[in-house]
Amino acid sequence: ILNVEQSPQSLHVQEGDSTNFTCSFPSSNFYALHWYRWETAKSPEALFVMTLNGDEKKKGRISATLNTKEGYSYLYIKGSQPEDSATYLCAFSDSMRFGAGTRLTVKP
Amino acid sequence: KAGVTQTPRYLIKTRGQQVTLSCSPISGHRSVSWYQQTPGQGLQFLFEYFSETQRNKGNFPGRFSGRQFSNSRSEMNVSTLELGDSALYLCASSSDSSSYEQYFGPGTRLTVT
Repeated sequence: ILNVEQSPQSLHVQEGDSTNFTCSFPSSNFYALHWYRWETAKSPEALFVMTLNGDEKKKGRISATLNTKEGYSYLYIKGSQPEDSATYLCAFSDSMRFGAGTRLTVKP
Repeated sequence: KAGVTQTPRYLIKTRGQQVTLSCSPISGHRSVSWYQQTPGQGLQFLFEYFSETQRNKGNFPGRFSGRQFSNSRSEMNVSTLELGDSALYLCASSSDSSSYEQYFGPGTRLTVT
């Protein structure tokens, strides 16, 4: 994988559903993997910076895992709320290559 | 602590002109990165400055340049503007390298007519 790829492109879930999305990145020359949340009309907000294979990080209902050997990271949201609606971006930190993002919409 | 600030917030320029955007990082942060966001291309990395030196550069033409001052404030300059340069330009600061969290400013919306 030469680029950072995120899937799915968009996701619509009901309030209370748990969801997850994927970020795939080049498995060679790994340095760090960033996750951001970007709400409309706001600036991207850092969620996690992950540097070690097997890293698991958690912030409230959001958690992320990292597999540098196979080149992927998962972001999980437990019990989605309407305020979780945003675009979630990952960035591969050699030259900060961003994925296109996963746009999450949580319906009340 | 004050956040990252960018000026101006909105700008309209004509093709062929040049423009300078400014970014003031969070106090104590020495790294400033610049990004371009367009609907078709998403967020793309322009360059990173650390302690007044360009540490990393994305794949943009030489018309895009930047600099960083001793107080860590950074400017980005685009010369000979093209219509395709219309975008949201974001800067982000971090305390050190890109393995640290980046804090984004509100962006400058540039429109080239």
